[in-house]
Amino acid sequence: GAVVSQHPSWVICKSGTSVKIECRSLDFQATTMFWYRQFPKQSLMLMATSNEGSKATYEQGVEKDKFLINHASLTLSTLTVTSAHPEDSSFYICSAKDGSYGYTFGSGTRLTVV
Amino acid sequence: DQQVKQNSPSLSVQEGRISILNCDYTNSMFDYFLWYKKYPAEGPTFLISISSIKDKNEDGRFTVFLNKSAKHLSLHIVPSQPGDSAVYFCAASALEGGSEKLVFGKGTKLTVNP
Repeated sequence: GAVVSQHPSWVICKSGTSVKIECRSLDFQATTMFWYRQFPKQSLMLMATSNEGSKATYEQGVEKDKFLINHASLTLSTLTVTSAHPEDSSFYICSAKDGSYGYTFGSGTRLTVV
Repeated sequence: DQQVKQNSPSLSVQEGRISILNCDYTNSMFDYFLWYKKYPAEGPTFLISISSIKDKNEDGRFTVFLNKSAKHLSLHIVPSQPGDSAVYFCAASALEGGSEKLVFGKGTKLTVNP
């Protein structure tokens, strides 16, 4: 089946630094990838839709300058949390849609900002 | 405004019995519904889906029922097994602004007791 690889699985960073999270579709091409954020005991909230070769579409309330998304190829999308603060600590998950398998999710990244 | 609602945060059942997880939605534009299973610190894993043109879809021990008039769907697991213990997310898909979006409920934590 379709596989989405997300890296790193966890990261701790200092407040004010930036963190990059990668999302790769391993055996299929994904023109569109999605980035979600999950707070404890909450649902996955869509942050943005990443489109290959064009700008990402951000959901209302998500700061595009803080959460930079780049989808430079058909198999890779990156989310960079810039100038991270403790309130950015969360579980970030990416997904990609494969025509055969529907939505496939990465394993997620636990970000802790100290 | 929560478009997909899972009103039971948790459910506990005995091994071998039926587990019924419920989900309600408000947006009549949703035309595809999915159930995901999620373990802590991992990405969601697809379980089963149903198109709005159907009212039932079955896959092994998992059956999803859709009642469009009531905007309600449910996931039945029978017989339940201890390995089914996880958080189950209901998700609904719709085309919005030319792009497809997946909206998640808050999840129901299922515990299957041996």
